[in-house]
Amino acid sequence: NAGVTQTPKFQVLKTGQSMTLQCAQDMNHNSMYWYRQDPGMGLRLIYYSASEGTTDKGEVPNGYNVSRLNKREFSLRLESAAPSQTSVYFCASSALNTGLYGYTFGSGTRLTVV
Amino acid sequence: GQQLNQSPQSMFIQEGEDVSMNCTSSSIFNTWLWYKQDPGEGPVLLIALYKAGELTSNGRLTAQFGITRKDSFLNISASIPSDVGIYFCAGQQVGPDKLIFGTGTRLQVFP
Repeated sequence: NAGVTQTPKFQVLKTGQSMTLQCAQDMNHNSMYWYRQDPGMGLRLIYYSASEGTTDKGEVPNGYNVSRLNKREFSLRLESAAPSQTSVYFCASSALNTGLYGYTFGSGTRLTVV
Repeated sequence: GQQLNQSPQSMFIQEGEDVSMNCTSSSIFNTWLWYKQDPGEGPVLLIALYKAGELTSNGRLTAQFGITRKDSFLNISASIPSDVGIYFCAGQQVGPDKLIFGTGTRLQVFP
């Protein structure tokens, strides 16, 4: 019962470095999401993918890119990391018409940009 | 961006006490969800509400979907130490398959 798997769990980057956060789900869900969590800000949507082959911007997309590689995998890329991108990043997935079941979240990637 | 107003921001209670938190919005939602996040983990779904006025329980947890469809509350009865964590409300509107999250209520339970 893996659910949603995120890698890596922790990462420290220097300003200007790039990296890709990986996410995979094994529940055959259509929709996948990337959120960031900052103290006092709750969860803010970065990008989402309603189905394989489609991606859309969320609330805070600047500085990020995404790729829906296939139905299982949805990656988040930081091209040039900035200290403002220090955060905890969560990937989530849901079945279509998610009102019935909500989202399933991964355990997060804790990113520090110095 | 749109966010849900969740209160209180934090709570410090003694074991055995009841807890109440709520979530309000200026917009109408079709679904309300409540999640709990344990330290170092991702949020986990606790309760889902699908109809205005709906009252749903999950063990010691009870949640209600407000009649106006603009609010929801979560009650925890007889709190225990493992209730510690951050509780998030989330609402879904008609349209794109996205949830909007509240800012969270951090719960601390003292023995």
